[in-house]
Amino acid sequence: NAGVTQTPKFQVLKTGQSMTLQCAQDMNHNSMYWYRQDPGMGLRLIYYSASEGTTDKGEVPNGYNVSRLNKREFSLRLESAAPSQTSVYFCASSEWWGASSSGANVLTFGAGSRLTVL
Amino acid sequence: GQQVMQIPQYQHVQEGEDFTTYCNSSTTLSNIQWYKQRPGGHPVFLIQLVKSGEVKKQKRLTFQFGEAKKNSSLHITATQTTDVGTYFCAGQTNAGKSTFGDGTTLTVKP
Repeated sequence: NAGVTQTPKFQVLKTGQSMTLQCAQDMNHNSMYWYRQDPGMGLRLIYYSASEGTTDKGEVPNGYNVSRLNKREFSLRLESAAPSQTSVYFCASSEWWGASSSGANVLTFGAGSRLTVL
Repeated sequence: GQQVMQIPQYQHVQEGEDFTTYCNSSTTLSNIQWYKQRPGGHPVFLIQLVKSGEVKKQKRLTFQFGEAKKNSSLHITATQTTDVGTYFCAGQTNAGKSTFGDGTTLTVKP
């Protein structure tokens, strides 16, 4: 199994350009997430999709949009990129969203997408 | 909102020394998870703690969840060079909201 696949791995944009990060999982997970990671900081949640057909804002949603295309795919779009969006972006999935003692909420991460906005 | 503080931010040890990272939440947690991220890699799940006072071991790694379910620790005995990386805790509330700490980056000198 490939797990969580993200594309592209690297991208350089100019300020104002738009782009979409793609994410797909093959684990039949219900929930998917987009995080950003900046140097010296933890992972901050941008948006998540608890189940197919739903999306919700995380901690840092401004400047981003998401689409849960189907159960497998969850994309992140930057409509007008800004230098502050330079970061490493991780897609993740879990069996279910929410508190769980069974481990259904354990996150499986993709390899990451390194985005630079000039 | 919910805050998860993790200390220290960096830890440099000699191979064979012990290492501990601490995680403190501003709110009571339903569970806490620990992840490891190797340099240039992505976070990988290590363990989840659910019960008050729970202690779990994975070889040289010992994980604890506090009695009040607001703090946790990860202790590595006799570090090895393969332990290098950043260790993150992620605290989840009963409402389902999960917050990551900023991580502790461990370097090990051979």
